[in-house]
Amino acid sequence: DVKVTQSSRYLVKRTGEKVFLECVQDMDHENMFWYRQDPGLGLRLIYFSYDVKMKEKGDIPEGYSVSREKKERFSLILESASTNQTSMYLCASSSGQALRGGYTFGSGTRLTVV
Amino acid sequence: GENVEQHPSTLSVQEGDSAVIKCTYSDSASNYFPWYKQELGKGPQLIIDIRSNVGEKKDQRIAVTLNKTAKHFSLHITETQPEDSAVYFCAATLSGGYQKVTFGTGTKLQVIP
Repeated sequence: DVKVTQSSRYLVKRTGEKVFLECVQDMDHENMFWYRQDPGLGLRLIYFSYDVKMKEKGDIPEGYSVSREKKERFSLILESASTNQTSMYLCASSSGQALRGGYTFGSGTRLTVV
Repeated sequence: GENVEQHPSTLSVQEGDSAVIKCTYSDSASNYFPWYKQELGKGPQLIIDIRSNVGEKKDQRIAVTLNKTAKHFSLHITETQPEDSAVYFCAATLSGGYQKVTFGTGTKLQVIP
């Protein structure tokens, strides 16, 4: 069964901390994405990547950065966590440009910043 | 950029009844419209999709319709069951491009036994 695995289900961090959210996919997908999910706002794209070492800003990149050193791994970094970054973070991957089968999502990381 | 609106935000139906969720999109270039189901504690999962060269697609109890002229598409679930209770997201994108998918805000469906 194909999978996107997010390293943590729940995280609690303090304001100002540097936070790393990890995502690994085993499907050899080229494309990987980070979304945040908030009630009433749906899923909003933070960053995405179409290839190793490549990254593009999504709709809400402020306060975040990403790293993709290997094809299977896409990391989201909160440089200095703030309370307004408390949210559910979802990683997704997809194959090529034809979008066959849509996205495969991970189960999410619920981050609380206190 | 693309903007996707989704209605209603919550929907309660009796088991066995039908449920309809509607979405509109703004970018006439969008040509791929997936629907995702998110169960509690899980990530969204693709349940059905439709491309702009098709007006309707069915898969057992679920169907999706697309009206390109009006730029709206809908999810229809017939004979609802308690396991259909979840949050449903519609989305729109331009297939063949960089797959930057724009999601609707979600509909929480509750099926009452």
